Amino acid sequence: AQTVTQSQPEMSVQEAETVTLSCTYDTSESNYYLFWYKQPPSRQMILVIRQEAYKQQNATENRFSVNFQKAAKSFSLKISDSQLGDTAMYFCAFTLNAGGTSYGKLTFGQGTILTVHP
Amino acid sequence: NAGVMQNPRHLVRRRGQEARLRCSPMKGHSHVYWYRQLPEEGLKFMVYLQKENIIDESGMPKERFSAEFPKEGPSILRIQQVVRGDSAAYFCASSPSNWLNEQYFGPGTRLTVT
Repeated sequence: AQTVTQSQPEMSVQEAETVTLSCTYDTSESNYYLFWYKQPPSRQMILVIRQEAYKQQNATENRFSVNFQKAAKSFSLKISDSQLGDTAMYFCAFTLNAGGTSYGKLTFGQGTILTVHP
Repeated sequence: NAGVMQNPRHLVRRRGQEARLRCSPMKGHSHVYWYRQLPEEGLKFMVYLQKENIIDESGMPKERFSAEFPKEGPSILRIQQVVRGDSAAYFCASSPSNWLNEQYFGPGTRLTVT
């Protein structure tokens, strides 16, 4: 079974600064996908960024980027130029390559509460 | 293109009553996933359905919980004889296929059992 661990229950950062959220996972498979989701106080789950395990290049989406270390099974999220609207719970998630027996179902970490201070 | 819709957004039930949670996937999506989020925890997979079929229900409690996705209409997650431990946020996600690895989440239904 796959597991996802987020070891930072809470983080805080000043507006305009950079913060990194950590995530590690455990799997014996080689073909999988990793995601970061944001859950603001509205509780809506919003996809922030995704990474295919077969791609060596780290994914980036505007101010969000990941550091994907496949051998170490690490998948951290870096938020640059933090904004007040980034305040939310952030979840790391894993899925095996869909179409196989996993059917694309997501395994989530426990979450990290990020607070951006003005 | 409307997103995934869930209703009701908030549902209060007394112990022993039934709860019905509805999920309308995005247009053109025929794959639905249900997840449960207990307080202060991450989301946990419950069930994966395609139209008229339950594909994977490995995360569903063995008793009192059932799910369906009929040919017409929304997907329904049904909880019979609710207990306080069922209080949680229930999220539905939809996908156009199970190989694209893209799931779009609804706003969730917060169930409170009193």
